[in-house]
Amino acid sequence: TQLLEQSPQFLSIQEGENLTVYCNSSSVFSSLQWYRQEPGEGPVLLVTVVTGGEVKKLKRLTFQFGDARKDSSLHITAAQPGDTGLYLCAGVDQTGANNLFFGTGTRLTVIP
Amino acid sequence: DVKVTQSSRYLVKRTGEKVFLECVQDMDHENMFWYRQDPGLGLRLIYFSYDVKMKEKGDIPEGYSVSREKKERFSLILESASTNQTSMYLCASSTPGLVLFGPGTRLTVT
Repeated sequence: TQLLEQSPQFLSIQEGENLTVYCNSSSVFSSLQWYRQEPGEGPVLLVTVVTGGEVKKLKRLTFQFGDARKDSSLHITAAQPGDTGLYLCAGVDQTGANNLFFGTGTRLTVIP
Repeated sequence: DVKVTQSSRYLVKRTGEKVFLECVQDMDHENMFWYRQDPGLGLRLIYFSYDVKMKEKGDIPEGYSVSREKKERFSLILESASTNQTSMYLCASSTPGLVLFGPGTRLTVT
C-alpha cells in the first residue's frame, strides 16, 4: 500500500485568511489529484498535476506537485466559507494500473 | 449530464445479512472501483475492475466480493455483513484523465 499523509487533518480559519494543505509520500506517483468532498456527497476532482514541479491555479486555489513527484500542496488565498469541505489528495501509481491511493484528508472550516 | 449513480444513499442492515450495493455509470468507462471511507483512514480501495467479468482485489477485499456482468454496472457484495463494515461506500468510474465518483452509500450494520 502506498501511503499518503495529509496535514493538517483539521483546519479552522477565518474568512479572508490564507492556508496551505500538504500531501506527502515516500512513493513516486505518475500524477497526483486533488479532490473536494461535501458532506453526503462523493469526492469531486479539482485538478490533476502530472509533471514534477508543476503549478496549477484554479481561481484562488494553487496546486503544486513536488519536483520528485512524491508530494504536493494546495494553497488557498483569501478563503471563503464556500471553501469549507474535505480536501483529499490521491496519487496515481506508476505501474500502469492507474490505481488511486488516497490521503487521509484535510477537513477545512472557513468561519464567516 | 454524465454521472455515476449508487442504488441507495442510506442503508441499514443486520449482522449476517447479505448486502448488495449497486453502481451504474453512463459514460462507457472501462474502469470501475469500490472504496470505503472511514474517519482518519481516508478512502481505501476494496475491489476494482478493468473490464466486464474482470475483477482485482484492492487493499481491503476481505469480507467483500464484486460482480461486473455488464460494462456499466459494478456491484459490491457483502456476503455476511458485520458491524465493522459500517462505513461510507463510494463507487467510481474512470477513463484516462477522468475519474468520477458516485454520491456514496452510507451503510450501517447493526
